[in-house]
Amino acid sequence: GQNIDQPTEMTATEGAIVQINCTYQTSGFNGLFWYQQHAGEAPTFLSYNVLDGLEEKGRFSSFLSRSKGYSYLLLKELQMKDSASYLCAVNSGAGSYQLTFGKGTKLSVIP
Amino acid sequence: EAQVTQNPRYLITVTGKKLTVTCSQNMNHEYMSWYRQDPGLGLRQIYYSMNVEVTDKGDVPEGYKVSRKEKRNFPLILESPSPNQTSLYFCASSLWASGGAGEQFFGPGTRLTVL
Repeated sequence: GQNIDQPTEMTATEGAIVQINCTYQTSGFNGLFWYQQHAGEAPTFLSYNVLDGLEEKGRFSSFLSRSKGYSYLLLKELQMKDSASYLCAVNSGAGSYQLTFGKGTKLSVIP
Repeated sequence: EAQVTQNPRYLITVTGKKLTVTCSQNMNHEYMSWYRQDPGLGLRQIYYSMNVEVTDKGDVPEGYKVSRKEKRNFPLILESPSPNQTSLYFCASSLWASGGAGEQFFGPGTRLTVL
């Protein structure tokens, strides 16, 4: 089976840095995605990692360690609009595209 | 504007009454997928399609059917809806040419209630 774990909730202060962790145990691995989802809205793509290391994209960075089954999303200079759920998803398909999502981490940014 | 559209956005129905939720994308994407999202369970994949006439089951396919007769459309069919199918449904599409690395673009969601 597929198992993806993320913390359920986190709280951080505006202007700070927050790290959201994701661990996974899947039958296969063909890349890991991070999505942002504001309440009542559709998920939107943030980042993709398939090789070990850090991918940086503005205020957002994502890290992957395949040997440890571990990823994190780093958000810098937090803004109130970053309050949302952050979804970790693994493509476990071999030659296909089967995304398994974690249950998401609800981030609250406080003044 | 590049987008994924779903209809209807909201639907209240009764047990056993067949329904179809439509999904259409205008980005010429090969890959399309259906998810349901439930509190405490997250997003779970129902069915996906790698191209026209190619569909496969996701993690929770029971009680659902799909078809992919045209590249742009991927309807979700509930032949005999039951209350446990009350959920928020998302359709998504992606380029497949990138080998499964393409970001998925999500539709706005369909909130379904089965009484």
